Amino acid sequence: GAVVSQHPSRVICKSGTSVKIECRSLDFQATTMFWYRQFPKKSLMLMATSNEGSKATYEQGVEKDKFLINHASLTLSTLTVTSAHPEDSSFYICSARKAVNSYEQYFGPGTRLTVT
Amino acid sequence: EDQVTQSPEALRLQEGESSSLNCSYTVSGLRGLFWYRQDPGKGPEFLFTLYSAGEEKEKERLKATLTKKESFLHITAPKPEDSATYLCAVQAEGAQKLVFGQGTRLTINP
Repeated sequence: GAVVSQHPSRVICKSGTSVKIECRSLDFQATTMFWYRQFPKKSLMLMATSNEGSKATYEQGVEKDKFLINHASLTLSTLTVTSAHPEDSSFYICSARKAVNSYEQYFGPGTRLTVT
Repeated sequence: EDQVTQSPEALRLQEGESSSLNCSYTVSGLRGLFWYRQDPGKGPEFLFTLYSAGEEKEKERLKATLTKKESFLHITAPKPEDSATYLCAVQAEGAQKLVFGQGTRLTINP
């Protein structure tokens, strides 16, 4: 199998606070993990690509100081939204790739972030 | 620039009414084309990977095909539980990331 989990599934935070979202590959080691954002009825927007042990590569227009990504192990990546604002409210989804020569990405169930 | 266009945007079918979803793509060397299914409020679920023109893959009522310019997801005798958004994505040679289409929202009425 290829199971990816995310925690929490839903989070509500106050404006100005930071929130951390975890993404874990449960039954495989993920050399590469990806973070996406999805707006209602829209497709996935890639935010960053994260390789284990190295700095994340951010897509154009994504603020790396606002969306901190850490990929400290082959099974865990975290996304921290710093100083969150209401416009950061969204559905955040991670995915993981099994190995260097494997192309499929397996997605987590997503995290709904609401900033009040 | 790599691009993926899916059509139609939305499709309503009666249970048992077969149809096809289209994914047109332009990419600078295709490494793989991927189909995913996404239910509301959930992450995408992997369905198929196609690597080269002429390749076909099947899973239950779904069959994916690939040409040099497009892919089709054929759904045969669909059931209401097949209702979902179907996403197509491509990965270019030398790239790590997927480029997604906008998806097709499929509704199967009982």
